[in-house]
Order: sequence, then structure tokens, then C-alpha cells
Amino acid sequence: DTAVSQTPKYLVTQMGNDKSIKCEQNLGHDTMYWYKQDSKKFLKIMFSYNNKELIINETVPNRFSPKSPDKAHLNLHINSLELGDSAVYFCASSQQGLARNEQFFGPGTRLTVL
Amino acid sequence: GNSVTQMEGPVTLSEEAFLTINCTYTATGYPSLFWYVQYPGEGLQLLLKATKADDKGSNKGFEATYRKETTSFHLEKGSVQVSDSAVYFCALRGSGGGADGLTFGKGTHLIIQP
Repeated sequence: DTAVSQTPKYLVTQMGNDKSIKCEQNLGHDTMYWYKQDSKKFLKIMFSYNNKELIINETVPNRFSPKSPDKAHLNLHINSLELGDSAVYFCASSQQGLARNEQFFGPGTRLTVL
Repeated sequence: GNSVTQMEGPVTLSEEAFLTINCTYTATGYPSLFWYVQYPGEGLQLLLKATKADDKGSNKGFEATYRKETTSFHLEKGSVQVSDSAVYFCALRGSGGGADGLTFGKGTHLIIQP
């Protein structure tokens, strides 16, 4: 029943490691997003994917790479993790084409880099 | 570029008090406007939205009116409950209709005391 799901919910790792966060949506949407929420709760768009094409790539380090095996999945891979990567990462999806279409968010993945 | 400014909290009110959380925006064209709510330890849920000028979004006793002349989308509720304690985010999506992400305000932490 879950519309947008993410795994894992919590991720604790050491600096320098490589990790992935998975996201799946069962809403039939054609666009998926990754957002980062910092310790002050500020949310910022990182990426969006539409029809397997990267549409937006804000000023995000190239250590972060989104990977979309199909329209229902958008995974986030992070290389060489740094302390500043600690945050909550949210996946979202929407149907492109209409600005009024809301985005549906996953429950978030809390990443802690030690 | 697009931006959203909302009052920063925490905002502390007593149960049954009247709530206003201010939100103003900067955007070209005719963006869609949203209020999302984040309960402790959870992801973001859409609270309400408005897609054109003078539209009023409403849900669960909350209301917000899209005011293009003042570029505002203030959130109001006549009588708050303890269960309304959460972080509230004002957000906009550009009118381009493409796969652009949401631009969020910094969030307002609302605390309702019994």
C-alpha cells in the first residue's frame, strides 16, 4: 500500500565508505526526486529523474549519483562519504507536465556519517 | 530564481488558539503553492495546495489563500490542537510544467501546549 518507500530508514557508516539508498514508488508517476534535509530541517532538491533522464542536478557533489533502473525506482549512491553528508534524505515522486501536481514523499532515510 | 520565505519558529501556542504562519514567495510566472507538514520522525505530507491566484486550499481545518498581489500564501487555523504540533513547510513549484522540484521555505516548528 505504501506509495513511496525508501530503504534503509536509518544508515550509520564511517567516513570514506560508499553507500546506497533505495527508493520505489507504486503510483505510476513518471518523475522522481531526491531531497536533502539538513540538521536545521532545511529541504533542498538534489536531483529529479524523468523517463530515465536526469532533469535537474543542483550544486551537488559528484560523489552523489542517482541511478534509475526503471520508472518506479530511483536509487541514490554516495561515494566517499563525508561528515557533512549526514542528513535525512527524502525521495519523492510526481506526474510531470502539470505544475499543480503535488509530490508524494517517502518516509526518509537518516544518514549518519561518523 | 524561485524562493520561499516563511516565519521561523518555534511558534508556541496554547490549545484552541488561532494560528497564522506567514509565507511569501518570489517566482516568475504563476507557480503552484503548497503547504507540507512533517510530524516528528516522519516524512512530509501534503497539507493543502493552491494552483492559481485567489484559490483557497483547505484541509483538516487549515486554510491558505494564494495572494498574487502580495505574493503570499499564509497558513491559518482557527483552533489548534496538540496533535497539530509539527514542522510546517511552505513550498512552490514553478509554472514551467517540467520536472522541476519544489522550492521550500525553511520550515516553522509549531508547538501546541495543552
